[in-house]
Amino acid sequence: KAGVTQTPRYLIKTRGQQVTLSCSPISGHRSVSWYQQTPGQGLQFLFEYFSETQRNKGNFPGRFSGRQFSNSRSEMNVSTLELGDSALYLCASSPPNSYEQYFGPGTRLTVT
Amino acid sequence: AQKITQTQPGMFVQEKEAVTLDCTYDTSDQSYGLFWYKQPSSGEMIFLIYQGSYDEQNATEGRYSLNFQKARKSANLVISASQLGDSAMYFCAMREGRKTSGSRLTFGEGTQLTVNP
Repeated sequence: KAGVTQTPRYLIKTRGQQVTLSCSPISGHRSVSWYQQTPGQGLQFLFEYFSETQRNKGNFPGRFSGRQFSNSRSEMNVSTLELGDSALYLCASSPPNSYEQYFGPGTRLTVT
Repeated sequence: AQKITQTQPGMFVQEKEAVTLDCTYDTSDQSYGLFWYKQPSSGEMIFLIYQGSYDEQNATEGRYSLNFQKARKSANLVISASQLGDSAMYFCAMREGRKTSGSRLTFGEGTQLTVNP
């Protein structure tokens, strides 16, 4: 079974631009979560989607948004990028009725 | 207050020896789960082991075992027979609430493990 895939793997953007990251979960997994990892703040939960609905949300500004499609693929969008948004963005999927979460390789975003 | 505390920023161990990575947690939920993940320099988070709050036996997965002490709110990871490939950052994480409440994980700050030949 293929693992969680994230595209693109690396991205360089300029302050003020917007960016869209994509995550394809493991087949059969309907829950997709997003996390931001920075050296200063560590790993922080952004949001979780389940069956196309946002089920949980972390403490991030409204510039961070996401959505999930009927095939469980998810996208997250960051508008009006700031230098502090430079981070590794990790996506994780969970199988039904399980606590386990499986992570993708991440998208490393650099904002200049 | 920190929900997950990993007090060892860095640990060193000789190849083939065992090592314990510490993790304490704080929650008022009765139902929760504890995880350990490994993150090599490539960045991917690799799931190692899981312990549910109602599990009476300590979880084991190959060379990994989780020393779960509920009363002390600790969930230490034990790696037996360390290998050079075990050198990585290790994160302890917690998921609170029942499965239907979602999959939000809270992570500790991590422990950088270095295995010396």
